[in-house]
Amino acid sequence: QLVVTQSPSASASLGASVKLTCILSSGHSDYTIAWHQQQPEKGPRYLMKVKSDGSHIKGDGIPDRFSGSSSGAERYLTISSLQSEDEADYYCQTWGAGIRVFGGGTRVTVL
Amino acid sequence: EVQLVESGGRLIQSGGSLRLSCAASGFTVKNYYMSWVRQAPGKGLEWVSVVYSGGDKYYADSVKGRFTMSRDNSNNAVYLQMNSLRVADTAVYYCEVHCGGDCSFHYWGQGTLVTVSS
Repeated sequence: QLVVTQSPSASASLGASVKLTCILSSGHSDYTIAWHQQQPEKGPRYLMKVKSDGSHIKGDGIPDRFSGSSSGAERYLTISSLQSEDEADYYCQTWGAGIRVFGGGTRVTVL
Repeated sequence: EVQLVESGGRLIQSGGSLRLSCAASGFTVKNYYMSWVRQAPGKGLEWVSVVYSGGDKYYADSVKGRFTMSRDNSNNAVYLQMNSLRVADTAVYYCEVHCGGDCSFHYWGQGTLVTVSS
């Protein structure tokens, strides 16, 4: 069964970096995922796709502070130079055999 | 400029039917993948349905047999027909456009609220 798993929360200080993890279920370690950001009271926003080779494909206007990487069945989103507006929920999403699935989301708190 | 504008959400009684619309501009819906995604109050994102550019459609198990997604190429829109609504279907429903491979074209609408009362 295709599942992606995320930690529920993460935090880091203003100006620091935070690395979020999305774990693909067994048998799906080569899948591409997408990261989305949802700021409080707003709709989601596409950030990037992250492939199994670690390359990423960003959406329009996504700052260089956001980057993606990969290791095995894990896909990462790193936010550098954290800003107050980065405080948000971050969702990973994957797809296969027609269906699409979301992880439970990671809430990022900027200290 | 890409825009997705959802409409049709409202308060409705359990067992009722509702049709949501997603009007697209700045691109052609038939050339991309279009999805509906919902978010219950205080919860995470849940994928609902997708129509691929070739016309194939897929649904989440939670809505299969009750919801039907359609695409109107002439009006550049997609719809979600929701029947036999349940309280658990209460959510903000978002329209999403995306694509496969190395394509980065991916946008979300602002959402429309569906509230199902008992």
